[in-house]
Amino acid sequence: DQQVKQNSPSLSVQEGRISILNCDYTNSMFDYFLWYKKYPAEGPTFLISISSIKDKNEDGRFTVFLNKSAKHLSLHIVPSQPGDSAVYFCAASAAGGTSYGKLTFGQGTILTVHP
Amino acid sequence: DADVTQTPRNRITKTGKRIMLECSQTKGHDRMYWYRQDPGLGLRLIYYSFDVKDINKGEISDGYSVSRQAQAKFSLSLESAIPNQTALYFCATSDSSREVTDTQYFGPGTRLTVL
Repeated sequence: DQQVKQNSPSLSVQEGRISILNCDYTNSMFDYFLWYKKYPAEGPTFLISISSIKDKNEDGRFTVFLNKSAKHLSLHIVPSQPGDSAVYFCAASAAGGTSYGKLTFGQGTILTVHP
Repeated sequence: DADVTQTPRNRITKTGKRIMLECSQTKGHDRMYWYRQDPGLGLRLIYYSFDVKDINKGEISDGYSVSRQAQAKFSLSLESAIPNQTALYFCATSDSSREVTDTQYFGPGTRLTVL
């Protein structure tokens, strides 16, 4: 039972354009969402997060949008840079229930930004 | 910045051998986690510990055991390694004293190959 899904295994974008990475979830208890970036031979690093009380959070070139009714979130990177090429993981957690204190991850999306 | 360290970084072993992966952190966090990453499956939780006396199974704990030797140390053991335990293993930490407790910080990973 995949509670967090990233349906696009890969995404290719030209430098300077927008990258949009998508994530869907099924567990209505999830109330906090995070994006992690992972380079080869390194651990995932925290990128940006959003609470369910918000529908948008912005940090520099990175913006996360949350649509609770659709159980969907997206990460926008504008403008995309070659250094953004990495695997991006979406993750979710809940304030209570069996998901308390734990993160549930999506499968990841490989982003390639071409110069 | 080596707040979360993992040893070894790479390990090749044979079927049936007992293996221990170690994780240490200097972040002062109370919560620690072990994940494995497989292609197309994202990160899956093996075990987690909210403090030294607390150990909990994650979604894929069969074939694994853990020990929380101190707040800063959390080790993962494969009692009798099998080839389908070949994967990338990550340790992570989080801090329950923060307002947002769910952000986890990852080590660099251990690449384990079981022949």
